[in-house]
Amino acid sequence: EAQVTQNPRYLITVTGKKLTVTCSQNMNHEYMSWYRQDPGLGLRQIYYSMNVEVTDKGDVPEGYKVSRKEKRNFPLILESPSPNQTSLYFCASSSRTGGITAYEQYFGPGTRLTVT
Amino acid sequence: KQEVTQIPAALSVPEGENLVLNCSFTDSAIYNLQWFRQDPGKGLTSLLLIQSSQREQTSGRLNASLDKSSGRSTLYIAASQPGDSATYLCAVIPPLVFGKGTRLSVIA
Repeated sequence: EAQVTQNPRYLITVTGKKLTVTCSQNMNHEYMSWYRQDPGLGLRQIYYSMNVEVTDKGDVPEGYKVSRKEKRNFPLILESPSPNQTSLYFCASSSRTGGITAYEQYFGPGTRLTVT
Repeated sequence: KQEVTQIPAALSVPEGENLVLNCSFTDSAIYNLQWFRQDPGKGLTSLLLIQSSQREQTSGRLNASLDKSSGRSTLYIAASQPGDSATYLCAVIPPLVFGKGTRLSVIA
């Protein structure tokens, strides 16, 4: 089954304690991205990756890091989490090659992060 | 910079009604437009994807249209049901920009 998986699904942590949220897709997609969703602000892109070893900042990258060492994985790293990073996080992937499904976005189930 | 607007922000209808959700975007140079459904606290479920060369897509009771020249898309839901209650989001690509969604409530 084609899917994007995220782990953990729920995480409560304390300020300053480094954490990683994993994202993996099994569709051989080139493009992967991370979003955060906050009430009233909608979905905002944090980072994206066009392919292995190619990453770039989205609209709200401050306080986050990413890496893309393998095509299927795109982890999100919070080196020193703060309460303002409490949010619902989504990973997404898509193909950039031609065809009718190019650019169609597939989303993971979300990770609810609370930083106290 | 591309901006995507969804109006209304919230909508409440009685069961059985047909309804239209609107999505407008400022830059018509898009590759495709995608409609999603999101239940509270859950992930995004893709409903329909419309390529820029297409004018509409249909899936069951859902029909999405796209008018690139006017920067508009609509999602038509026929014979609404309480199970359709959710937030509906549209996104234009590239770049991937989302509207803030329309929260739909279908009252039994």
